[in-house]
Amino acid sequence: DVKVTQSSRYLVKRTGEKVFLECVQDMDHENMFWYRQDPGLGLRLIYFSYDVKMKEKGDIPEGYSVSREKKERFSLILESASTNQTSMYLCASSSNGLGRGGVDTQYFGPGTRLTVL
Amino acid sequence: QQQVKQSPQSLIVQKGGISIINCAYENTAFDYFPWYQQFPGKGPALLIAIRPDVSEKKEGRFTISFNKSAKQFSLHIMDSQPGDSATYFCAARTGGYQKVTFGTGTKLQVIP
Repeated sequence: DVKVTQSSRYLVKRTGEKVFLECVQDMDHENMFWYRQDPGLGLRLIYFSYDVKMKEKGDIPEGYSVSREKKERFSLILESASTNQTSMYLCASSSNGLGRGGVDTQYFGPGTRLTVL
Repeated sequence: QQQVKQSPQSLIVQKGGISIINCAYENTAFDYFPWYQQFPGKGPALLIAIRPDVSEKKEGRFTISFNKSAKQFSLHIMDSQPGDSATYFCAARTGGYQKVTFGTGTKLQVIP
């Protein structure tokens, strides 16, 4: 069974704190993604990675950075959290054909609900 | 910049009825159109998908209709059930890296 896990289900942080969200997949997928989900706005892509140490900006990268040191792990970093970053954060992974699972499918983790006070 | 427009935002359907969710896109480079289903507390999961060389795809009670010339596609849920109550996202993919653009979502509630 394919699996994407996220380090926390709920997180509460203070404005200005550095926040790390971690995502791990066990499917040997090449591609990994970070989205934020907000009511009425759907899923918006923050960053994605198509290989270890490789990253590309998505549609809303401002205020975020990412790290992918190992194939199975993709971290999202909020350098200085702000209240407008309160959101649900979803990690996903997908295969180009070599990993497990369907080629054309993104597999999502359960999400981390981050609240910045 | 919303590349995939989805409507309605919410939908209430009687059990046994047909649920219809519509999406429209602008980028003709999109080559794959998946629909994802999300239950509360869970991440989205692939429900059904279609490629632009096909006008319709059916899997059980779920059907995608695709109109390439109009750049529109829709999800039909036949004989809707309370267990179908979820948020549905249409999406579109361009080229490499499996990068996908999602619609804004439709919250479906099927009432008994």
